[in-house]
Amino acid sequence: DGGITQSPKYLFRKEGQNVTLSCEQNLNHDAMYWYRQDPGQGLRLIYYSQIVNDFQKGDIAEGYSVSREKKESFPLTVTSAQKNPTAFYLCASSGDSRSAKNIQYFGAGTRLSVL
Amino acid sequence: KQEVTQIPAALSVPEGENLVLNCSFTDSAIYNLQWFRQDPGKGLTSLLLIQSSQREQTSGRLNASLDKSSGRSTLYIAASQPGDSATYLCAVTTDSWGKFQFGAGTQVVVTP
Repeated sequence: DGGITQSPKYLFRKEGQNVTLSCEQNLNHDAMYWYRQDPGQGLRLIYYSQIVNDFQKGDIAEGYSVSREKKESFPLTVTSAQKNPTAFYLCASSGDSRSAKNIQYFGAGTRLSVL
Repeated sequence: KQEVTQIPAALSVPEGENLVLNCSFTDSAIYNLQWFRQDPGKGLTSLLLIQSSQREQTSGRLNASLDKSSGRSTLYIAASQPGDSATYLCAVTTDSWGKFQFGAGTQVVVTP
């Protein structure tokens, strides 16, 4: 079954704690993306990666970090520096990010809440 | 900076009526525009992608048009069904890195 798997589905963070959201894809896509979605708002780009061992900041990267050690995996860490982390986090991938046929495929999301 | 707006924020129609969803963007130099569907608490599903050189795309009951010069796209859903109830988002990319700017979405309810 090809697709993007995000885990966990729900995550709770304590004050001062770092938490890591997992994103794995078996679509053989080069590009991967992390978005944040707040109620009533569109998606905002946190980080993106076009290729293994390379990633770029999106519009709201402060308080977040990523790594891209494998093509299949693009984990997102929400650090204690992110003061308002409660949101729905979505991971996406694309196999042809540099062309006009760039279709993004999304995982089911992780809902993060603060305890 | 590219701004994407979707109006209205919410829409309710009786079953069988055609749906018309609007998306506007401020920078007409786009690579492509994509329409997505999102069910409550779920990820996004791509519906249609229109390349910058295209004027429209069709898939089944869905038809999306693109007018770059006026910065607008419209998604038409013919003969709506209760299963079409969802939030519909549009997104545009204006660079070769595939970074999308999303609208806030239109929440659609189709009543039986």
